[in-house]
Amino acid sequence: GAGVSQSPSNKVTEKGKDVELRCDPISGHTALYWYRQSLGQGLEFLIYFQGNSAPDKSGLPSDRFSAERTGGSVSTLTIQRTQQEDSAVYLCASSLSRDTDTQYFGPGTRLTVL
Amino acid sequence: GEDVEQSLFLSVREGDSSVINCTYTDSSSTYLYWYKQEPGAGLQLLTYIFSNMDMKQDQRLTVLLNKKDKHLSLRIADTQTGDSAIYFCAEKGGSQGNLIFGKGTKLSVKP
Repeated sequence: GAGVSQSPSNKVTEKGKDVELRCDPISGHTALYWYRQSLGQGLEFLIYFQGNSAPDKSGLPSDRFSAERTGGSVSTLTIQRTQQEDSAVYLCASSLSRDTDTQYFGPGTRLTVL
Repeated sequence: GEDVEQSLFLSVREGDSSVINCTYTDSSSTYLYWYKQEPGAGLQLLTYIFSNMDMKQDQRLTVLLNKKDKHLSLRIADTQTGDSAIYFCAEKGGSQGNLIFGKGTKLSVKP
């Protein structure tokens, strides 16, 4: 079956613009995760959704970052007023459940802020 | 705090075995994972091991877990040039079921 998909695959934007990144998880997976991969920080966890709910948003790097998930499926990560330090690869993963199941990753969105 | 450490580079000759090592700190982690990342691609799950196991073998891959020393290793037998990639060790130790990753080991396979 289809894996996790993400769009766009690449996004170049100017500093100060807003961007939206999309993640389409594997059908039936209730748990969804966003991670960020950057040269300096490695792979860092951003936010977790169980269904449509994100119980803890403290992993988001700043209040310019927000995320939502609708219908227990697609999730969007929005970055407002982008800064150069937001340049990274944003990875989404999904799993059947939070505690016992393997996370499967999408191909990522490479964000470049000029 | 939680931390996963791996060496950054490993170079081997084609046909040799590769061993990538990892140490982790959270003794309550239930699952430990190895992911592979090729250039420009996402993370591909290679294998995982449950914390009550010592060893898991899957074709050319062997995972060894020493829970006392919090040490995990991945052995790739008969390494091929197609195995060249970055390998990430991860523990399922985050408070939200999130993975905590090492910095990745870049494996280079010379013909």
